[in-house]
Amino acid sequence: EIVLTQSPGTLSLSPGERATLSCRASQSVSSSYLAWYQQKPGQAPRLLIYGASSRATGIPDRFSGSGSGTDFTLTISRLEPEDFAVYYCQQYGSSPQGYTFGQGTKLEIK
Amino acid sequence: QITLKESGPTLVKPTQTLTLTCTFSGFSLSTSGVGVGWIRQPPGKALEWLALIYWDDDKRYSPSLKSRLTITKDTSKNQVVLTMTNMDPVDTATYYCAHTESKWRDAFDIWGQGTMVTVSS
Repeated sequence: EIVLTQSPGTLSLSPGERATLSCRASQSVSSSYLAWYQQKPGQAPRLLIYGASSRATGIPDRFSGSGSGTDFTLTISRLEPEDFAVYYCQQYGSSPQGYTFGQGTKLEIK
Repeated sequence: QITLKESGPTLVKPTQTLTLTCTFSGFSLSTSGVGVGWIRQPPGKALEWLALIYWDDDKRYSPSLKSRLTITKDTSKNQVVLTMTNMDPVDTATYYCAHTESKWRDAFDIWGQGTMVTVSS
């Protein structure tokens, strides 16, 4: 079973700064099936990035994804107040693996 | 516009079977490449994928929960039903259904609002 480990657990930054979130897989993941989500308190997750680097519909270009193999990164170039939330990476593998989510990174205001 | 909404009991007793229904609109589950999945989130914890059903009735389950889960679809009613047997207090969580499509590389692009299920005697 593929395990996704996100780091750091909590990231404290100020608006305007750059955020770099990491997602490391226990074994190689197809880049085509690596996604990132944003979740705010009391809300459902929102898809940000799919296919490791493609932005979902309506996602601002300050969000970018990169990586391959076992190491993936979500970068937020300049933090806006609404970007402070929890971020999850997710991979999808062939049966019987299915989907796996990381444990999340909380991005908080410093 | 794609929307999904979960429905079901808010409280179940230990050992009971949970049945949740996802009612959706804006897409058809008979369209090639489309799927609906279930994901849950215990209070204050991470997301956990449970099951997924595709347009062609292909079904996928979380390996750790497979023995307890069944997912079905009713294309005519635009519904997907998830049943989970032998409920336990650790299954207390918000349960989400979500849409996926091959163009999104099977990521979940649209989510329902979620329904909170508490397992307690």
